[in-house]
Amino acid sequence: AQTVTQSQPEMSVQEAETVTLSCTYDTSENNYYLFWYKQPPSRQMILVIRQEAYKQQNATENRFSVNFQKAAKSFSLKISDSQLGDTAMYFCAMDTGSARQLTFGSGTQLTVLP
Amino acid sequence: DVKVTQSSRYLVKRTGEKVFLECVQDMDHENMFWYRQDPGLGLRLIYFSYDVKMKEKGDIPEGYSVSREKKERFSLILESASTNQTSMYLCASSSPSRGQGWYEQYFGPGTRLTVT
Repeated sequence: AQTVTQSQPEMSVQEAETVTLSCTYDTSENNYYLFWYKQPPSRQMILVIRQEAYKQQNATENRFSVNFQKAAKSFSLKISDSQLGDTAMYFCAMDTGSARQLTFGSGTQLTVLP
Repeated sequence: DVKVTQSSRYLVKRTGEKVFLECVQDMDHENMFWYRQDPGLGLRLIYFSYDVKMKEKGDIPEGYSVSREKKERFSLILESASTNQTSMYLCASSSPSRGQGWYEQYFGPGTRLTVT
C-alpha cells in the first residue's frame, strides 16, 4: 500500500521569506509521480508542482521548488519570497501510475504573515 | 480552462435522508473521482470511474454509491445519511497529460455536507 505523510499540520512564515514544507512517502513501485497541490481558503485545489521519480533533477516552477530525495523517500516543497496569496492548505500526493489514483497526505496549513 | 463544478457548496441534511452530490466536468476527461476531506486526514478516495457506467471502490466506499451515466457527470449518493458523513466532499477529473504518463487532477470547489 502507498502512504504519504505530512508531519507539519501548521506552519507560518513572514512575507518575503522562504519556507519548506515536508513530505515523506512509501511505495514499492519504481515508477511514480509526486505532486504538491494547493487549496486556498474557500477556493479550488490546484496543482503547484510535480516530480517524476525517474528524474533526478528537482522540479521548479517560479517561486516553488522541490527537494526530491528518492532513497530517503522524501519530497519537500520550498516556497521562496512568500506572498500573502500563498496562504493555503498544501497537500503532498503520489501517483503510482498503475491506477491513475492519487494518495494524499494529511495536509499542511501554511499562513503567510504580513 | 478545465472546469469542474459541483451542484452545491453547502448542504444540510437530516440523518436517514438520501443525498445526491453531483459533479460535472467540461473537458471530456475519462477519469472522475470522489474524495472526502476531513481535518487531519487529508483527502480520502471514496469511489472513482474510468469510463461511463464503470465504477471502482476507493479506500472508504462504505455508506456511499456512485453513478456515471454520462461521461461528463459523476454522482455520489449517500443512501442513508449519517452524522459521521458530515464532511467536505471534493470531486475531481483527470486525463493523461500530453501522453507523458501522469495525470493532473482538476478539482471542483467542494460541497460541505452537514448531516444533523
